[in-house]
Formats: sequence, structure tokens, C-alpha cells
Amino acid sequence: GIQVEQSPPDLILQEGANSTLRCNFSDSVNNLQWFHQNPWGQLINLFYIPSGTKQNGRLSATTVATERYSLLYISSSQTTDSGVYFCAGGGSMDSSYKLIFGSGTRLLVRP
Amino acid sequence: IAGITQAPTSQILAAGRRMTLRCTQDMRHNAMYWYRQDLGLGLRLIHYSNTAGTTGKGEVPDGYSVSRANTDDFPLTLASAVPSQTSVYFCASSDSETSGELFFGEGSRLTVL
Repeated sequence: GIQVEQSPPDLILQEGANSTLRCNFSDSVNNLQWFHQNPWGQLINLFYIPSGTKQNGRLSATTVATERYSLLYISSSQTTDSGVYFCAGGGSMDSSYKLIFGSGTRLLVRP
Repeated sequence: IAGITQAPTSQILAAGRRMTLRCTQDMRHNAMYWYRQDLGLGLRLIHYSNTAGTTGKGEVPDGYSVSRANTDDFPLTLASAVPSQTSVYFCASSDSETSGELFFGEGSRLTVL
């Protein structure tokens, strides 16, 4: 099955800094999503982005499906951005919409 | 709007006991999923259901069973719990007729002693 790798595994930022998180996947996907897990354990969907670029406030994401990677950009980071960011992909050969998750990037934003 | 409701929130269970984690969604999503989250391992798919009446195995299905009698409910059963099943369990749903965007419940923390 598909494998999803995320980098970096850990990231520490000063408030106001920008960052880029990367997600590589081993096979073609037709479903690629980014999630944020806050310090209380809640999982929030950030982007559904199988291809192209989307923006939502200070966050944006780009998926280059032909090269099998996706990037999540966080600009002007805030302490509330802390938590774990997961990407998850679903294979194009799979008729279901099940997603396989990467191990996550743990982000700490310091005031 | 409740979204996805999981119960119980937290449970301590003796090894060998049977346990059912409940999951209910009110979004009329056709697809539902169970994931477990362990420290350092991210989320791993246990079982899924594309539509009521059908289920499928995920990455780590052994020791778990599911049923999907209707659209809204997707219970996860541990027939005979073992300590390695100590984890946080997340139920999720998506509408595969549109985007397949995944929505999660709040999670159920299970400790097997």
C-alpha cells in the first residue's frame, strides 16, 4: 500500500516566523489531506488538496501530484499553531476513500 | 451540530474483557473509519466502511471487528482486549460523493491492563 513520509519530524519556531512542512508519498494519490492535531488531541482538517494550491488565512498548501509530494506553508506563526501536523494520502488505485497517515511534524511555536 | 460523537471518552479495561467503542455521526456521510493513534506512530487505519452494509480491513485490523448496520453508526469491538490495544481511538467520516474530506471525532482513550 501507499506510504507517506513527513519532514521534518520536529520543528521549533519563534512566533512570527514562517515554515514549510513536507509530505512525500510512495504512489499516486487521488486524495491528499492535511490535518492539525492541537495539544488537546483534537484533529482538524486543514486542506483537502489532491493537486494544486489552496490558501486559508496564514496557511497554504500545494500538492504536485506528478512528483508525489505536498507542502504546507505556515506564515507569521502563532503560539496557537503549535501541535502536530499530519498529511494523509489515498491511493488512486483504491476505490475507497481510506487515508494512510504520515507520522506527523510536531511544531512548537514559542512566544 | 454534533458531527461525530464517540463514547466512552476514556475507559480502563482488564485484559480479556470485551469492549465496544461507539461512534455516531449526524452528517449523513457514506464512509466511516476507525483509526488508532499511538505515540510516535501517527494514526493507523483499523477498519473502514464505504457505505452501510459493507466493511473493509485497514492497516491493523487484527483483534478488532466492526459493523455498519446503518449510515450513522459504526461501532468498533475488541472481542478479548490485550495490553497492546492500549491506545487512543478515533472515529472519522467522509462524504465520498463529494470531496472525501475527513472529519474526526474527539477520540476514545482506552487502557488495557
